[in-house]
Parts: sequence; structure tokens; C-alpha cells
Amino acid sequence: RKEVEQDPGPFNVPEGATVAFNCTYSNSASQSFFWYRQDCRKEPKLLMSVYSSGNEDGRFTAQLNRASQYISLLIRDSKLSDSATYLCVVNEGSARQLTFGSGTQLTVLP
Amino acid sequence: ETGVTQTPRHLVMGMTNKKSLKCEQHLGHNAMYWYKQSAKKPLELMFVYSLEERVENNSVPSRFSPECPNSSHLFLHLHTLQPEDSALYLCASSLGPSNEQYFGPGTRLTVT
Repeated sequence: RKEVEQDPGPFNVPEGATVAFNCTYSNSASQSFFWYRQDCRKEPKLLMSVYSSGNEDGRFTAQLNRASQYISLLIRDSKLSDSATYLCVVNEGSARQLTFGSGTQLTVLP
Repeated sequence: ETGVTQTPRHLVMGMTNKKSLKCEQHLGHNAMYWYKQSAKKPLELMFVYSLEERVENNSVPSRFSPECPNSSHLFLHLHTLQPEDSALYLCASSLGPSNEQYFGPGTRLTVT
């Protein structure tokens, strides 16, 4: 089983739609969680950290479910500029570096 | 501006050439990383340095040789590469191994 698993998509949604991605992780000792976005032929950029109580940044909401070992990202009112690959990232312990998922591709259509 | 710079941004090299990729971080971080990303593929972690010591080498061929002279600089020395080594090479840094990473813009490498 992969350490961090994501549905590769692609997700094609119309502008204004709400879309959600899930990501599962295998190590129950994982301590920190992040979502990154990567535009085509560009470097990944940190979108947001994921906190135990859930957190929101504008149209983006991240949630963590430790019992089921998954994190989610919800995007409301999708914009064309949200088209990108979204990477789920997990740290498995304080001394371990981050593990990146393979990414979920999102295309927002006009 | 991520605070992580990489040079060159593009590189074309023959299989017999020797070249080096450079990464510099201006964030005061203690850990630095090299990743490879082939077209439409996920990130592959190559090397990890923490406080200038290599802590992980993910079975990378010896034709790739990293160097970390100080906590702000990281190099990837390349020699006798193969066409399948053509990819985007990304450098990243973080405060510590478990903290969020910040990426440079990458070097797009083509081996002919």
C-alpha cells in the first residue's frame, strides 16, 4: 500500500462548482499534513497546512480525519485559475521528511 | 518569490558532458532536498540534507552526485547521463525535515 494515496483524476468541473479531494495515508503516527498545488511545468507551492480541527482559507477548506487516516480539500466557487494538480503531503514523524502524494488533477471549465 | 533559487533554469547536455545544478535558499532553513519529476509523473525524492549532512539517498544512480557545502547551498553534479534522465529537477528547503517545504522553480534538463 502506498504511504500517501490520492485519486489521480482528472476532475473536470464547471466554473463555480464545489469540488472535494480526499487523500489517505498509511502511517497512523503521521503528525503534519499539507496541501500543495502544482501548475503545469511549474514547481509545487504550499497551498495550506491541515490542522486537526480543520481550517479554512478563503474558498479552500482542509480537514483531517485521524480515525480514518484521511485528509480532504474542499474548493468552493471554483475559478479557472484553480486548474492545477493538487498534492497531498504527509509527515510521518518528527524525524522524517515529508511524503508527497502523486497528485489529483483539476481542470475548471468555463 | 519563494526564497529558493535554482540555476540554470534550462539545460541541454550530451551524454558525455559534466554539468552542475545549483540551488540556493534565502530562508534560513536547515534542510534541503533534490527531487526529480519526469513528464506527467509524481515527484521522486533523490537526496535529503539536514544541517549539511546527507540523511537520505533514495537509490539514485551514481551519475548524480550531490554536494551541500553549507546550509544555504546545494549542488547536483551530473555526469554521463542517459536520455531517460531528462526531467525537471527541483530543489526544496525546509526549516527541519518535518516542516513544510519550499521549492525553487526547477531546472528543466534535456539529455541528448
